[in-house]
Amino acid sequence: GAGVSQSPSNKVTEKGKDVELRCDPISGHTALYWYRQSLGQGLEFLIYFQGNSAPDKSGLPSDRFSAERTGGSVSTLTIQRTQQEDSAVYLCASSRTSLSEQYFGPGTRLTVT
Amino acid sequence: EDQVTQSPEALRLQEGESSSLNCSYTVSGLRGLFWYRQDPGKGPEFLFTLYSAGEEKEKERLKATLTKKESFLHITAPKPEDSATYLCAVVSGGYQKVTFGIGTKLQVIP
Repeated sequence: GAGVSQSPSNKVTEKGKDVELRCDPISGHTALYWYRQSLGQGLEFLIYFQGNSAPDKSGLPSDRFSAERTGGSVSTLTIQRTQQEDSAVYLCASSRTSLSEQYFGPGTRLTVT
Repeated sequence: EDQVTQSPEALRLQEGESSSLNCSYTVSGLRGLFWYRQDPGKGPEFLFTLYSAGEEKEKERLKATLTKKESFLHITAPKPEDSATYLCAVVSGGYQKVTFGIGTKLQVIP
């Protein structure tokens, strides 16, 4: 079956612009995660959605970052007024439950110039 | 707060030279420990889940083991295609989110 997909695969934007990153999880997976990975660094947790529960936003680095998940499926991560330090690969993952293995998308490479 | 420490940060092996990667964790009630493999430019790929101390899982040249404080990923007679970054992650009873280690970058030289 189809895996997790993300779009765009690459995004170059100017400092101060807003960007939207999209994630299509595996159908039927109730849990969805966003991570950020900077060059040579580990995975930094950003936000977690589980079913219809309120999302865990504890990893969002600032109020410029927000995310939503519509209809329990597709998720969008929005970064407002981008800064150069936002440059990284943004990874999305989904899993059947919060205790199951995660399936990752290929990531979106964001470059802020 | 859950903590995951992986060692070494980098490991270089000759083809056929077996070794082990370590993942030490501090959690409030382990619910599951996961191993992933990440190739450059790609998202992590799931390898194993371990749920309780004493559990072992195997896949080809890889074997994962779990104790109450750490997990090992044993690589037997590695091949160059085993070169990747190996990530360890834990889920605890007290938290909903997964905590990842920073990974071990493995390079297998032909």
